[in-house]
Amino acid sequence: AQKVTQAQTEISVVEKEDVTLDCVYETRDTTYYLFWYKQPPSGELVFLIRRNSFDEQNEISGRYSWNFQKSTSSFNFTITASQVVDSAVYFCALSEANYGGSQGNLIFGKGTKLSVKP
Amino acid sequence: DAGVIQSPRHEVTEMGQEVTLRCKPISGHDYLFWYRQTMMRGLELLIYFNNNVPIDDSGMPEDRFSAKMPNASFSTLKIQPSEPRDSAVYFCASSLIRNTEAFFGQGTRLTVV
Repeated sequence: AQKVTQAQTEISVVEKEDVTLDCVYETRDTTYYLFWYKQPPSGELVFLIRRNSFDEQNEISGRYSWNFQKSTSSFNFTITASQVVDSAVYFCALSEANYGGSQGNLIFGKGTKLSVKP
Repeated sequence: DAGVIQSPRHEVTEMGQEVTLRCKPISGHDYLFWYRQTMMRGLELLIYFNNNVPIDDSGMPEDRFSAKMPNASFSTLKIQPSEPRDSAVYFCASSLIRNTEAFFGQGTRLTVV
């Protein structure tokens, strides 16, 4: 069955520290997609990144970077030099391509609440 | 594009009343999703549509919940009768094609007293 686990419920760091948010997934599918979303205190869900299962290249976007490792079924998210504005709940999600019922929809982890203190 | 638009943003209703949540997806998006977010259960998918057709409603909690998509630009989620345990934030989201990123509305915070 498909599942996304974010073991870190809450993380607190001081501004300018680097922080890594962990995400481990389970899937039967050979073709799948992984996502990260940000939910700031205002409540909306903001899309950050999408990766497909055939592309294990790490991605960097400014202070954000993502490490996808199929061998460990992980898709971790690192924020470098964190800022107060990074404070939010971050969700990892999985979408399977081939299995009925879950095709196309996002299965979310429970989220990690990140607090960045000045 | 204005993004996914949900209404109302906040709804307070009494137990037993009917509640209707509304959603306008991004124009051209073929998929529409309804999610519910609670502290206990996190983000859970209720139902999703492809080209206005319901594909998977296995997440709908019970018969009190129903969803429709009469056309490509409008969907409703109805709860009748509402109960206090339905209190949550309900999100609507849309995506262009299957397995791509879904864009979320700002949510409707429902409180049933």
